[in-house]
Amino acid sequence: EAGVVQSPRYKIIEKKQPVAFWCNPISGHNTLYWYLQNLGQGPELLIRYENEEAVDDSQLPKDRFSAERLKGVDSTLKIQPAELGDSAVYLCASSPGTGNEQFFGPGTRLTVL
Amino acid sequence: QKEVEQDPGPLSVPEGAIVSLNCTYSNSAFQYFMWYRQYSRKGPELLMYTYSSGNKEDGRFTAQVDKSSKYISLFIRDSQPSDSATYLCAMSSYSGNTPLVFGKGTRLSVIA
Repeated sequence: EAGVVQSPRYKIIEKKQPVAFWCNPISGHNTLYWYLQNLGQGPELLIRYENEEAVDDSQLPKDRFSAERLKGVDSTLKIQPAELGDSAVYLCASSPGTGNEQFFGPGTRLTVL
Repeated sequence: QKEVEQDPGPLSVPEGAIVSLNCTYSNSAFQYFMWYRQYSRKGPELLMYTYSSGNKEDGRFTAQVDKSSKYISLFIRDSQPSDSATYLCAMSSYSGNTPLVFGKGTRLSVIA
């Protein structure tokens, strides 16, 4: 069974540029999460989707960050414009809809210059 | 004070040693406790998942939860160089698709 797929794996952009990350969850997983992981820190939740509905986006900086999960499968996280402090790893995770077993993708490492 | 505290290490042990990794937490509502392993430049991988207090064993790994002390542990027996990674504790307050609260992670090196 394929795991959570994320692309790109690495992205380097200049500040004020836009950037987008893509996530394909494990087949059949209704719940999708985006996490932010800074160096030396644990992941912190940005947004959680139940199917196509964002049910917890309280930690998402909505002035520059946006996300969507059309058709309740793939998801895209966007930053516009990017700032130097956005340099981090962006992790996508999915779960089957019961319990707390979240499965993580490899992450996208963003560097903002 | 953060909800979950975890010593970031680094922790270096010789091959074959018993490793003890720990987290403390402040939120008494936490009931679900997990340990994730994260290799460099990879996503976290679920190792152990326990509910409430008690022990759970899986091969060389044992997870312990002491809710009265708000303290959880992960023991690794007969540690191997392939165990070298960052170990993250995570917890949440109830089942379902609730957000996990992670510790900072402890970086472990097992020296051959």
